Amino acid sequence: AQKVTQAQTEISVVEKEDVTLDCVYETRDTTYYLFWYKQPPSGELVFLIRRNSFDEQNEISGRYSWNFQKSTSSFNFTITASQVVDSAVYFCALSGNRDDKIIFGKGTRLHILP
Amino acid sequence: ETGVTQSPTHLIKTRGQQVTLRCSSQSGHNTVSWYQQALGQGPQFIFQYYREEENGRGNFPPRFSGLQFPNYSSELNVNALELDDSALYLCASSSGLSDTQYFGPGTRLTVL
Repeated sequence: AQKVTQAQTEISVVEKEDVTLDCVYETRDTTYYLFWYKQPPSGELVFLIRRNSFDEQNEISGRYSWNFQKSTSSFNFTITASQVVDSAVYFCALSGNRDDKIIFGKGTRLHILP
Repeated sequence: ETGVTQSPTHLIKTRGQQVTLRCSSQSGHNTVSWYQQALGQGPQFIFQYYREEENGRGNFPPRFSGLQFPNYSSELNVNALELDDSALYLCASSSGLSDTQYFGPGTRLTVL
């Protein structure tokens, strides 16, 4: 069975601090995809990143970076120099190869305090 | 913005009624997936349509049904509404199976 665990329910940090959101996943598939989505108060899920299970390279996009480690089944997300606009719920998610559905974690609510 | 649109934005229904939610997929996308997001939870997969055929279904009862049209827009129908059906319903489109899904703004359904 596929499962995504986001152990941090809620995090609060002061603006400009770095923050890491944890994600641990379970799957028996050898080929799978991992995602991060952001959900601001408006409710729309905003796509941030997709990683293929065969690509363990870390990725950086501006202030965002992702650390994918197959050995620990983790796909963590770090925001550097956080800003108030980063306040949102962040979801880690998983899908199998040619799969129909995306399995979401329960999300981490991030508060960036001014 | 993703180009995925949903209507209506908000809806209030009473228990036992029926509801239809609509989704227009992003240009060039032939796959539409529907998710239910209860308050404080992650989205749960309802079903997916690929080229007008149901491609997969999550753990939802048959009173949740759907359609996809030749222009790849889609409808989600829910019959015999229950209080627990109150949720944000999200539609996502993609350019094929296992491709990245891009989400619309959602329809918030309240069942009284």
